[in-house]
Amino acid sequence: GESVGLHLPTLSVQEGDNSIINCAYSNSASDYFIWYKQESGKGPQFIIDIRSNMDKRQGQRVTVLLNKTVKHLSLQIAATQPGDSAVYFCAENIRGSNYKLTFGKGTLLTVNP
Amino acid sequence: NAGVTQTPKFQVLKTGQSMTLQCAQDMNHNSMYWYRQDPGMGLRLIYYSASEGTTDKGEVPNGYNVSRLNKREFSLRLESAAPSQTSVYFCASSEPGQGYEQYFGPGTRLTVT
Repeated sequence: GESVGLHLPTLSVQEGDNSIINCAYSNSASDYFIWYKQESGKGPQFIIDIRSNMDKRQGQRVTVLLNKTVKHLSLQIAATQPGDSAVYFCAENIRGSNYKLTFGKGTLLTVNP
Repeated sequence: NAGVTQTPKFQVLKTGQSMTLQCAQDMNHNSMYWYRQDPGMGLRLIYYSASEGTTDKGEVPNGYNVSRLNKREFSLRLESAAPSQTSVYFCASSEPGQGYEQYFGPGTRLTVT
């Protein structure tokens, strides 16, 4: 089965609320994680990344948290906007895999005005 | 900078027909990738090219061939299309010396009838 998975396939939030998208991984050799955003009809777009030697990383309105004990990471989006509506994927690099990424199935985030 | 470009955007094939999907990047990246994306699933790696002159199989290579024509271009060929190859195909590139982030093209939507 897939090493990278998601707890919820869909998430619906109100505009202005905070969103949390979760992702689980199973490979202890995963050393790098990326979150991608994919809008309808477009290719995935980089949001934020985190290395396995970090617990938290912040960007503009986004925060990624990594819990290596339970092999879980999350993407938090602050003050969610309609433009945030998209599918969000987490992806991992497994050490020694020659920079390849393994993608999860994705979570569809819908922001209601 | 156009980034990663793909042609065509849409294609319909009959079972048994062949076609080549084209991909080009203008970021001087060494590595290039081909993925397929099916409904409800994440991106699955078909083939990748770690550097010019090398290609390797990914997770789902059966029914496909690739050519790394030069540093800029990486093509994906379907020799005898099957309905199971109906999917959206994404090309991506990355520069391992700069990290793990992959940059994606807009995708090719392929339907095989």
